Amino acid sequence: SYELTQPPSVSVSPGQTASIPCSGDRLGDKYVCWYQQKPGQSPVLVIYQDSQRPSGIPERFSGSNSGSTATLTISGTQAMDEADYYCQAWDSSTYVFGTGTKVTVL
Amino acid sequence: EVQLVESGGGLVKPGGSLRLSCAASGFTFSDYSMNWVRQAPGKGLGLEWVSSISSTSSYIYYADSMTGRFTISRDNAKNSLYLQINSLRAEDTAVYYCVREGLQNYFDYWGQGTLVTVSS
Repeated sequence: SYELTQPPSVSVSPGQTASIPCSGDRLGDKYVCWYQQKPGQSPVLVIYQDSQRPSGIPERFSGSNSGSTATLTISGTQAMDEADYYCQAWDSSTYVFGTGTKVTVL
Repeated sequence: EVQLVESGGGLVKPGGSLRLSCAASGFTFSDYSMNWVRQAPGKGLGLEWVSSISSTSSYIYYADSMTGRFTISRDNAKNSLYLQINSLRAEDTAVYYCVREGLQNYFDYWGQGTLVTVSS
């Protein structure tokens, strides 16, 4: 079965850039989306179709996807961005989520 | 405003069954594919996709590990999505989310979730 791998944690200082990788076999051939989940809340879509931002998502969130790695980038990270982040793709009639990355804003 | 409200969770003994429901409002339910996603309680246990159903129920998909005990269905006249789970196991303990699927394989709206606890 298809797998998406993320680092368990990423730390970033306020105002700096956080990059969260998501790797999978030939991931660049698929559309990737990203979700943010804060404690006790439901996930929220922050990036779809590799790099598109839904309405209401701040411009500091951006995405890219090439080769075997998709990346979520948070520029000018704020304390409110501290959360778990999950990548997701569609493969062989199934949805697959990444293992998740906890972003800590120090 | 899009709203997805799950119900039907609770404490169930191993081997039991449960039917989860999701009431949708704020959009034309019959135009969208819908999904169930679950998340085991506790820190860092991740999201797990369960099942997907197309707008007219023509296409139904399950995660490999969910085939056989899980049945997804919908009633467009009632704007409702359902998930029947049989032969419940301890490892099915999770928050189950009702999720709307966007136009190109992404989940744009999530419900608040309903907790299913399987324990004797």
